Amino acid sequence: AQSVTQLGSHVSVSEGALVLLRCNYSSSVPPYLFWYVQYPNQGLQLLLKYTSAATLVKGINGFEAEFKKSETSFHLTKPSAHMSDAAEYFCAVTPSGFQKLVFGTGTRLLVSP
Amino acid sequence: EPEVTQTPSHQVTQMGQEVILRCVPISNHLYFYWYRQILGQKVEFLVSFYNNEISEKSEIFDDQFSVERPDGSNFTLKIRSTKLEDSAMYFCASLSSFGEQYFGPGTRLTVT
Repeated sequence: AQSVTQLGSHVSVSEGALVLLRCNYSSSVPPYLFWYVQYPNQGLQLLLKYTSAATLVKGINGFEAEFKKSETSFHLTKPSAHMSDAAEYFCAVTPSGFQKLVFGTGTRLLVSP
Repeated sequence: EPEVTQTPSHQVTQMGQEVILRCVPISNHLYFYWYRQILGQKVEFLVSFYNNEISEKSEIFDDQFSVERPDGSNFTLKIRSTKLEDSAMYFCASLSSFGEQYFGPGTRLTVT
């Protein structure tokens, strides 16, 4: 079975600071991993995905994530936060390209001026 | 850019009533999904659908729920007799050929 743990329900950063959102996964098979962002009253937008190719994955809006098998982690980073990054971020795992996504509990990113 | 659409955006219904939530997946996608998110909780999988059949369903997806693809474009979720605990945001998703699930904006279901 697959599962995802997101440490920190809330993360606060200042504008221009590094963003680090943590995700650890559990999977009995090599996983497919995703990060989604949810802005208030909107649906889930795909930020980036890992599917066993390069371990450092670049996504939209300047975000990237690194797959570390030894740490079972897939943390999301952005070098410099922008006010518009304030949203909820969800990490998700699936054992294959077409099966269900299993989501973490989400991390709300707050960005202050 | 193609996107998944959902209607209505908000549905209010009384306990015991039937509701149908509608989704139009992206046109060349073949796998479709329903998820739900109870307020303040994580997104949970309900059901996946491929080739006009349910391919996987969760424990939440009991006999009160059903899905259908009535024509070439719509994908519906029906709840036969709604309960208070069915109040949630329901998301439809469809799968690209690159293995990415694209989500619609959701339908907020409020059961009173």
